[in-house]
Amino acid sequence: QVHLVQSGSEVKKPGASVKISCKASGYTFTSYTIHWVRQAPGQRLQWMGWINTGDGHTKYSQNFQGRVTFTRDTSATTVYMEVSSLRSEDTAVFYCARGSVNFDYWGQGTQVTVSS
Amino acid sequence: EFVLTQSPSTLSLSPGDTATLSCRASQSISSSFLAWYQQIPGQAPRLLIYGASSRATGIPDRFTGSGSGTDFTLTISRLEPEDFAVYYCQQYGSSLYTFGQGTKLEIK
Repeated sequence: QVHLVQSGSEVKKPGASVKISCKASGYTFTSYTIHWVRQAPGQRLQWMGWINTGDGHTKYSQNFQGRVTFTRDTSATTVYMEVSSLRSEDTAVFYCARGSVNFDYWGQGTQVTVSS
Repeated sequence: EFVLTQSPSTLSLSPGDTATLSCRASQSISSSFLAWYQQIPGQAPRLLIYGASSRATGIPDRFTGSGSGTDFTLTISRLEPEDFAVYYCQQYGSSLYTFGQGTKLEIK
């Protein structure tokens, strides 16, 4: 059974960084791209980018370029997302999701709260 | 900028009714790249429909996707209490992914 399990909630100050993990299980880790999606309160889902878990290649949405970094550890079947220079609009739930043109499995979400 | 616009924003219906949700794209897209998701408050989105009309694994046949070009529809027949949630359409194109703003399906 496919599972994506994310790390727990975070509270950060403006300007700080946060690193979230997404552990995959139940399938061949390197066969599927992992995406990250942000959902701010009351807002639509916003795609942030993806990482190719096989070769580590990444693509970032222009909205997040330069502020987010995706990495992966194939031995741990885990993907990481680091967001730097946090601001109030980053108060949101961040999801990892598996997929290509759509997203068939999702993590449970990680709440990040940015507050001074 | 590519935009998906969903209507209505909120739909109030009763169990047993049929819901019709619309997703309009700002430009024509391939049906292969249009998907629908259900999100229950406090939970992650769940893939319902991919390729505009194919049901994802485990999705009951009460959920039907249709459409092409710029206009797509999700129809939910014989509404069950667990169907009352927010629904999003999503498209892939030019290496980018876009979601609609969602339709909230609420109990009347």
